[in-house]
Amino acid sequence: EAEVAQSPRYKITEKSQAVAFWCDPISGHATLYWYRQILGQGPELLVQFQDESVVDDSQLPKDRFSAERLKGVDSTLKIQPAELGDSAMYLCASRFGGSYEQYFGPGTRLTVT
Amino acid sequence: GQQVMQIPQYQHVQEGEDFTTYCNSSTTLSNIQWYKQRPGGHPVFLIQLVKSGEVKKQKRLTFQFGEAKKNSSLHITATQTTDVGTYFCAGPPVRGSTLGRLYFGRGTQLTVWP
Repeated sequence: EAEVAQSPRYKITEKSQAVAFWCDPISGHATLYWYRQILGQGPELLVQFQDESVVDDSQLPKDRFSAERLKGVDSTLKIQPAELGDSAMYLCASRFGGSYEQYFGPGTRLTVT
Repeated sequence: GQQVMQIPQYQHVQEGEDFTTYCNSSTTLSNIQWYKQRPGGHPVFLIQLVKSGEVKKQKRLTFQFGEAKKNSSLHITATQTTDVGTYFCAGPPVRGSTLGRLYFGRGTQLTVWP
């Protein structure tokens, strides 16, 4: 069964450093989402792509976060500089155009020290 | 802004007992989706309800979507240890949502002891 791939699975970084997360959605899924999930809470959308275009980044802290999906396939989420409050699980999800169901990857757990 | 609330936040049951979690949205939703996240895992899609008053069943799980499409519930009959996890509801509001953007509740964390 096809899955959403994410790497790394775990990342520990010091504050003020730069970090990057990678996501490879299920083949053929045009819509890609990056979520942040703080422990004990539900996923919160950071950015949504339709193919290579950003369609919603209203909750993305653009002073430090950036996201790209250059060829409309895999995507990278970057944080620079990282802050203590960025410690969370970063989840990538993808969706096939004709369906509402979102498929989540295993996530990257970020710890900022 | 859009808010999705879930209660209870935590539920501890003995195996064989029933479990219900409730979801309420501040605005009317286009549809409601339910996801399950096992400890240490990622959210996995369970089901989607679209119609007002819709009820769907999956084995021991019963899902309902309210008449006003602002609330939903998930009921598990005779819980098993495999039901352990956090259950999230999520939905796109009818208005003001970008291409079906989902707003997630905080989830209900279910613990089942043997």
